[in-house]
Amino acid sequence: GAVVSQHPSRVICKSGTSVKIECRSLDFQATTMFWYRQFPKQSLMLMATSNEGSKATYEQGVEKDKFLINHASLTLSTLTVTSAHPEDSSFYICSASSGQHYGYTFGSGTRLTVV
Amino acid sequence: TQLLEQSPQFLSIQEGENLTVYCNSSSVFSSLQWYRQEPGEGPVLLVTVVTGGEVKKLKRLTFQFGDARKDSSLHITAAQPGDTGLYLCAGERNNNDMRFGAGTRLTVKP
Repeated sequence: GAVVSQHPSRVICKSGTSVKIECRSLDFQATTMFWYRQFPKQSLMLMATSNEGSKATYEQGVEKDKFLINHASLTLSTLTVTSAHPEDSSFYICSASSGQHYGYTFGSGTRLTVV
Repeated sequence: TQLLEQSPQFLSIQEGENLTVYCNSSSVFSSLQWYRQEPGEGPVLLVTVVTGGEVKKLKRLTFQFGDARKDSSLHITAAQPGDTGLYLCAGERNNNDMRFGAGTRLTVKP
């Protein structure tokens, strides 16, 4: 089945630094990938929709200059948290659809801790 | 407000009991999915329902899509401790617009 690989699984960074999270579709091409944020004991909140070769579409309230998304190829999307602050600490998850069936495949998530 | 209202938010039952989780909305969805998520991991797709009134079974799990495609339910028969986890419903309104419910955190005690 479709597999989405997300790295790193955990990252701890200092306040003010930037962190890049990668999401790769391993056995299918993903023209669209989605980035979610999940706080403890809460559901997933869509941050942005990443489209290959074009600018990402951000949800209301999500700062596009802070959460940089790049989808340069059909198998790779990256989310860069710039100038991270402790309140950015969260669980970030990507997902993608192969387009051949309903349903989405999720990455394993990235636990970001900003200290 | 959530586009999808999922209830209950928390559920703690004994092994062997049955349970139902509900997912309701005022919006019509082209498809609705149910996911299960373990702590520290991404959600895993359990089922996708597409047709109004559709019923799908996955072993002890029964999924139903409302006739109007606005709501769905997940019924678990004879719950087991291994069923413990966060269950999420997600509705897709049109291509690439998918939103999640708040989730139901299920605990099945042995």
